Amino acid sequence: EPEVTQTPSHQVTQMGQEVILRCVPISNHLYFYWYRQILGQKVEFLVSFYNNEISEKSEIFDDQFSVERPDGSNFTLKIRSTKLEDSAMYFCASGMWNTEAFFGQGTRLTVV
Amino acid sequence: DQQVKQNSPSLSVQEGRISILNCDYTNSMFDYFLWYKKYPAEGPTFLISISSIKDKNEDGRFTVFLNKSAKHLSLHIVPSQPGDSAVYFCAASGETSYDKVIFGPGTSLSVIP
Repeated sequence: EPEVTQTPSHQVTQMGQEVILRCVPISNHLYFYWYRQILGQKVEFLVSFYNNEISEKSEIFDDQFSVERPDGSNFTLKIRSTKLEDSAMYFCASGMWNTEAFFGQGTRLTVV
Repeated sequence: DQQVKQNSPSLSVQEGRISILNCDYTNSMFDYFLWYKKYPAEGPTFLISISSIKDKNEDGRFTVFLNKSAKHLSLHIVPSQPGDSAVYFCAASGETSYDKVIFGPGTSLSVIP
């Protein structure tokens, strides 16, 4: 069964460093998303991506964040200068339609 | 600002009985609702959805009911099985687009054998 895969499973980074979280969505999907879940809190929408551009983003997705689909298969989330409060589980998701999404296993980002 | 609320953080049900998970929303612009299930150390898994033009959607053991006037939806699981033990998230979209999905805080369901 096709699945969304995320790498790495756990990333530890120093505050102020740049991180790139990688995702391989399901191959025939057209909509791509990043969500995050801070420990003990709810899953929060970050950004959606369709037709090679951002279609929607939340207030969390500020100038420190960017997304790219560089080669038609990978979908990346970059955080330019990480802060302690960026520590969270980051989930990539994809969907054929924008009405339901299939999530990856997540990348746990720890900023120290 | 909790636009999607799940007021029960946890629920315990005996195997074979019905599990009812509740969800309330505040934004009347939402018109598409979803339920996701999440096991520890995994991403959320889509379970079932409902559009605001319907009041019920059924898929096997899972049924979602929507009461638009009350801004309330519920997920019924019948019969409950131990493998259903997980965190269940209610989610809503349609305010600005269907791309942006707002999740509730989740309800942890334990099905006791």
